[in-house]
Amino acid sequence: GNSVTQMEGPVTLSEEAFLTINCTYTATGYPSLFWYVQYPGEGLQLLLKATKADDKGSNKGFEATYRKETTSFHLEKGSVQVSDSAVYFCALHGNQFYFGTGTSLTVIP
Amino acid sequence: DAGVTQSPTHLIKTRGQQVTLRCSPKSGHDTVSWYQQALGQGPQFIFQYYEEEERQRGNFPDRFSGHQFPNYSSELNVNALLLGDSALYLCASSNWGGGETQYFGPGTRLLVL
Repeated sequence: GNSVTQMEGPVTLSEEAFLTINCTYTATGYPSLFWYVQYPGEGLQLLLKATKADDKGSNKGFEATYRKETTSFHLEKGSVQVSDSAVYFCALHGNQFYFGTGTSLTVIP
Repeated sequence: DAGVTQSPTHLIKTRGQQVTLRCSPKSGHDTVSWYQQALGQGPQFIFQYYEEEERQRGNFPDRFSGHQFPNYSSELNVNALLLGDSALYLCASSNWGGGETQYFGPGTRLLVL
């Protein structure tokens, strides 16, 4: 079946540090992969997506590359800001959406 | 242009009661999906509605039911509430056949005592 495994948090970084949040998946077929972000008290917002192998999704300085050979879609950002503090969810879409458990990120000044 | 709206924002019920949650999709969208997000977990897909019919369903019991109206808005009904139904319920809207891009509402937080 389909599933997503995310790096456990919480993650605390200093401002301008490098961020990696690991995500691996199990899927039948060729799913699309997503990163969503959830700010406190809000719903999920699409951060980026990739629809096929070797695609790179990017938005707001965040990047993730669809790696079929390692079944991974790790989220990276070169220099985090305090405003990036949120919970990040990795997800895949085959016939329906499957979400990881989320990784909480806190960026301190 | 209003995004996805949900009501109420918070709700407290007791075990055995029934609850109805409401969702209005983003303007121009015709498909509504519902998710349950337990504390500290990722959203879990409940079901999806298009053209007033349930099109897909996740692994949830029949106590969870829904409806979609001609104006594309939707309701989620949960009967015989259990303590474990306490969660944030998220609605997401999209266009049928328009790819997987969906927009989420802020959610309804349900507490079952």
